[in-house]
Amino acid sequence: DIQMTQSPSTLSASVGDRVTITCRASQSFSNCLAWYQQKPGNAPKLLIYKASSLESGVPSRFSGSGSGTEFTLTISSLQPDDFATYYCQQYNLSSPWTFGQGTKVEIK
Amino acid sequence: QVTLKESGPALVKPTQTLTLTCTFSGFSLSTSGLRVSWIRQPAGRALEWLARIDWNDDKFYSTSLKSRLTISKDTSKNQVVLTMTNMDPMDTATYFCARMHPYSDWGQGTLVTVSS
Repeated sequence: DIQMTQSPSTLSASVGDRVTITCRASQSFSNCLAWYQQKPGNAPKLLIYKASSLESGVPSRFSGSGSGTEFTLTISSLQPDDFATYYCQQYNLSSPWTFGQGTKVEIK
Repeated sequence: QVTLKESGPALVKPTQTLTLTCTFSGFSLSTSGLRVSWIRQPAGRALEWLARIDWNDDKFYSTSLKSRLTISKDTSKNQVVLTMTNMDPMDTATYFCARMHPYSDWGQGTLVTVSS
């Protein structure tokens, strides 16, 4: 499997901050990389697919970038609703899929 | 409207086999390009992708759990079934089924506790 390593595991930030989460893959793969937001008690919500495509209905303050083995999720101006846990996922269509271990965004 | 719902036992004993059923509506798994996955999440811990089945019956499994997992579909019933053998207390988790890539539609999840 392609292993995904997220960093940091926890991030403390304030409303209005620019936040960046990184996901590194154990090997290079296509841009089949997604980002999810999860709040306690809820299923994950898709934010970004194909590394940089914004899912319909997701605020434009969320953006994704990267290729090969390094991918980034950026929140341009953190809002109160954004305090949650974020996961990357590789979904290379010809192989098993994997999630990163998650990044919890906490209030500073 | 697409919905998915997981069903299965809430409690299983160690060494038993777990069978979970995902019953969905709003799409057909015979439609080209569609796929359904199973994912689990122990309380307070990360998501773990387990397995997926594609419209053409291709199947993929987590390498670490491959020997214990079997996924199948019944297109006529709009169901995907996951079996996991030799259950252990470490397998206690909420189990989700989801239509993913394309789309992102998830069930509410079902909590499975492994305990004697």
